[in-house]
Amino acid sequence: GAVVSQHPSWVICKSGTSVKIECRSLDFQATTMFWYRQFPKQSLMLMATSNEGSKATYEQGVEKDKFLINHASLTLSTLTVTSAHPEDSSFYICSATGVEATQTQYFGPGTRLLVL
Amino acid sequence: AQSVAQPEDQVNVAEGNPLTVKCTYSVSGNPYLFWYVQYPNRGLQFLLKYITGDNLVKGSYGFEAEFNKSQTSFHLKKPSALVSDSALYFCAVRDIGGAGSYQLTFGKGTKLSVIP
Repeated sequence: GAVVSQHPSWVICKSGTSVKIECRSLDFQATTMFWYRQFPKQSLMLMATSNEGSKATYEQGVEKDKFLINHASLTLSTLTVTSAHPEDSSFYICSATGVEATQTQYFGPGTRLLVL
Repeated sequence: AQSVAQPEDQVNVAEGNPLTVKCTYSVSGNPYLFWYVQYPNRGLQFLLKYITGDNLVKGSYGFEAEFNKSQTSFHLKKPSALVSDSALYFCAVRDIGGAGSYQLTFGKGTKLSVIP
């Protein structure tokens, strides 16, 4: 149980284009989803927290107009990197929590984005 | 504010020997504590958590961790290391009732290398 998927696993795009990454909870309803960014050999940096049907809460320093997050259902959240630039190249990981009291976060496999 | 320290960037252990990956934390209230493992180019896999009760927590793949409130530690242990245990390990804490209490704070990660 508690499986989270991400799609795509790899994406290469040209500078200036937009990229959408999907995060799905496959066997539970995700009341809250989180988006992280991880740089090589570093820990995870929380970008934003989203609750189903609500606007996402962004961490300080994260541009909400650049990183658009939609959490339209209890099993799907999307992150759209708008007008991507090479500095946006990174490993993006989502996680989801269900209704259990401890709200353990279960992570997706990650999406590697390379902007040329 | 909550924080997590993983004092070792890397831990090397011979296959078959016991392993320990250290973690200390700081929270203002009571902690929920988690260990995750990350294999290269993958998301994080949940290993175990401490919520309340018995200080020794058993998790996946033979791992266990001991919660020590007086030392504010939550070290990850395994009696006999396998080469396949080689990965990046993250300790994380959630401060129950703190601001942003849904969020996890991660340590910087410890790379475990098990030598055949």
